[in-house]
Amino acid sequence: DSGVTQTPKHLITATGQRVTLRCSPRSGDLSVYWYQQSLDQGLQFLIQYYNGEERAKGNILERFSAQQFPDLHSELNLSSLELGDSALYFCASSVGNRRGDQETQYFGPGTRLLVL
Amino acid sequence: KNEVEQSPQNLTAQEGEFITINCSYSVGISALHWLQQHPGGGIVSLFMLSSGKKKHGRLIATINIQEKHSSLHITASHPRDSAVYICAAPTGNQFYFGTGTSLTVIP
Repeated sequence: DSGVTQTPKHLITATGQRVTLRCSPRSGDLSVYWYQQSLDQGLQFLIQYYNGEERAKGNILERFSAQQFPDLHSELNLSSLELGDSALYFCASSVGNRRGDQETQYFGPGTRLLVL
Repeated sequence: KNEVEQSPQNLTAQEGEFITINCSYSVGISALHWLQQHPGGGIVSLFMLSSGKKKHGRLIATINIQEKHSSLHITASHPRDSAVYICAAPTGNQFYFGTGTSLTVIP
């Protein structure tokens, strides 16, 4: 158990809908990362937050948005869902540092999203 | 062109064999990550290294920053090592992932 929790575990929805995925980092961790893993594209980095502020942005679509709240939990919002958004969405956390140095990341169990 | 290349893509080994997985990258990085993903889907970070070698139990990771190459070794492999191993190269605002090496260790 990494200490990172994600809800829900599974989500089935329809095209055009909007969903919110939630992540609670390990106690004390300031950095949160979001990743998407699909069968055809493998793991992709979406976005990173550090202490409430966006730090790095990867391949996140405009239809997707995220935020990190004052209690450090994070949410990933996916809207106007398409079939191709079906994937495993992982959240990870790390201790966090102001310089942005690389750190070991602890991964949550993932949310499996199926868009029908 | 992929920024991170892993080899082999698939690997089957007999229990007890010494295993090597290779990762080459083309981007400039300060550190490289090795991840393990089990059949159930969960991901565990095995190593983060920026130079030299790290060891954890039967796992050893090495990196040569100048040659942009890293290897993950498993000594005395065991069926419970069966998983997908993924290397990740973070640079700037991006993480580049290898496509993974699927390892099966047969008893």
